[in-house]
Amino acid sequence: ETGVTQTPRHLVMGMTNKKSLKCEQHLGHNAMYWYKQSAKKPLELMFVYNFKEQTENNSVPSRFSPECPNSSHLFLHLHTLQPEDSALYLCASSLVSGSGSNEQFFGPGTRLTVL
Amino acid sequence: GENVEQHPSTLSVQEGDSAVIKCTYSDSASNYFPWYKQELGKGPQLIIDIRSNVGEKKDQRIAVTLNKTAKHFSLHITETQPEDSAVYFCAANSGAGSYQLTFGKGTKLSVIP
Repeated sequence: ETGVTQTPRHLVMGMTNKKSLKCEQHLGHNAMYWYKQSAKKPLELMFVYNFKEQTENNSVPSRFSPECPNSSHLFLHLHTLQPEDSALYLCASSLVSGSGSNEQFFGPGTRLTVL
Repeated sequence: GENVEQHPSTLSVQEGDSAVIKCTYSDSASNYFPWYKQELGKGPQLIIDIRSNVGEKKDQRIAVTLNKTAKHFSLHITETQPEDSAVYFCAANSGAGSYQLTFGKGTKLSVIP
């Protein structure tokens, strides 16, 4: 596997279910990100982890719970979601340096549908 | 925080013509401006980026220009081909030295054969 991988690619869940999204990067990066992509809206940054430490939580509801056990893996735990949470969830990674100009590499995303 | 506006939201061009997408940003401290291309069923992929110490950058048929004074930057695609059809996103980092990006809403480019 190369680059950034995400599983599952598609997920349908009920409002009372609990599920998890997984992201793995094989690039040796030290920062990982979760984004939400909804139709006709900009990519919304949800969470940022730098060296496994969460450095950003962009006012995301508590029904989304991230976990970063190491620099290569990132999870997004989902519980009691709402239909408006249906979207494409993208994971990205980058190599953080002091210059602040680092390419983010994206995974293919998980298409989530909440019924 | 940073705010990025992108126009147009949709763009149709004939194959072989040029396409231009424009973005403005609000934070004068931003110093990194990437452009991403997203094809159907895939995640965004970086196609070109520019840093605030240069005004223009080219890579084959793709070029990006940056006007720091006016706080806007543009993507230019020349000799468009059907495979250029995709959604294009501009972004700006959230202040100098920040590794977090703020994205525009995207432009759906259709190249008509």
